[in-house]
This record gives sequence, C-alpha cells and structure tokens, in this order.
Amino acid sequence: EVQLVESGGGLVQPGRSLKLSCLASGFTFSNYGMNWIRQAPGKGLEWVASISSSSSYIYYADTVKGRFTISRDNAKNTLYLQMTSLRSEDTALYYCARSTYWGQGVMVTVSS
Amino acid sequence: DIQMTQTPSSMPASLGERVTISCRASQGISNYLNWYQQKPDGTIKPLIYYTSNLQSGVPSRFSGSGSGTDYSLTISSLEPEDFAMYYCQQYDSSPWTFGGGTKLELK
Repeated sequence: EVQLVESGGGLVQPGRSLKLSCLASGFTFSNYGMNWIRQAPGKGLEWVASISSSSSYIYYADTVKGRFTISRDNAKNTLYLQMTSLRSEDTALYYCARSTYWGQGVMVTVSS
Repeated sequence: DIQMTQTPSSMPASLGERVTISCRASQGISNYLNWYQQKPDGTIKPLIYYTSNLQSGVPSRFSGSGSGTDYSLTISSLEPEDFAMYYCQQYDSSPWTFGGGTKLELK
C-alpha cells in the first residue's frame, strides 16, 4: 500500500525557515516524480513544487520560487521541502503527492 | 498555466440524489483529469483518474466523463459519506492546476 507521511510542520515567525519531510513507503520511491501541494485555510489547492525521480528536473510555483527548495533522498525514501523567508501567506496545509496518492498533510503556520 | 473552472462552488443535495460536478479547462487537456474528495479533516482521497477510471476501492456510484476542455464527475445516488469537498485537477501540462472546489452539502 502506498503511504506518504509528512512531518516537520509547525508555528514559525515570518522570515524564518522550516523544512518539511515526506516519508514514502509501499512503492519504489526512486522510480517516481514527487510533488508538494498546499492549501491555505479555507482556500483551494495550489501546486507548489515538483521533482523528477532522479532530481534532474525541478519546478516551482512562482509564489515560492527563490524561497523554497524541493529535494529528495532516494536512499531514505524521503522527499523534502526547505522553506525560507516564510510569509504569512505561506500558512497552509502542505501535502506531498505521487500522482494520485497524497499524504495526510502537515500544517505550517507563519505568524509572529 | 491551464485554468480550471469548477462549477458549482457549492451544491445542496439530498440523500439518494444524483449530482454532477463540472470542470472546464482553459485549453484542451487530452483527458488528463483527476477527481478528488476532501473531508473536513483535510484527508484527500482520489476518486477518478484519467477522466473516467475509478480508483481502486471507490464505490461504483462515482463516475467521470468528458473530453477536450469539459469534464464532469457524477455521483449516482448520494450516501451520507459523500458530503464533502470535491476537486478536479489537470495533469496534461505543468504545473498541475486545480478547480476551485465544490462543496457538496446536505439539503
């Protein structure tokens, strides 16, 4: 069974950094591209970033480009999202996803 | 980016009723369209992939159809557990984009 478990969320002050992790199991992680998607409170879904299976191709939404970094460690079956210069508008539930498989999400709150 | 317009944004309905949610893309997406259900706790469940293929374990009362720019999700007879948010998503071209969501509410 495909499982994706996010961690690393929490309350952080504006301008600070936070790193999310997503531990994958139930499939050969190194064979699949992965994504981060977020949902601000009461809002819809927004794609954030994608990374190919070997990290050769990486894409970001314009809203996070230059501040967020997606990466992966195929030996550890783990996807990451390093978030820097956080803003209040980054407050959201962050999901990792492999095609139609999604994790349960992890909450990031940016507030002073 | 491809824009996805999902209608209606909310839909009051009754148990046993047949409902249809629509999604229109700003350009053709070659059937690369998924449907998801989101519960109040944030859990996202895939329902339909590639326009009309039912995900494993999803009840047969759910169905999807469409082509080109217009797609739809139909629930043939609403059950209590179906009252939730629904989203369409295109994956024809990067970035993935989503419809604005439909809140299915008990009338």
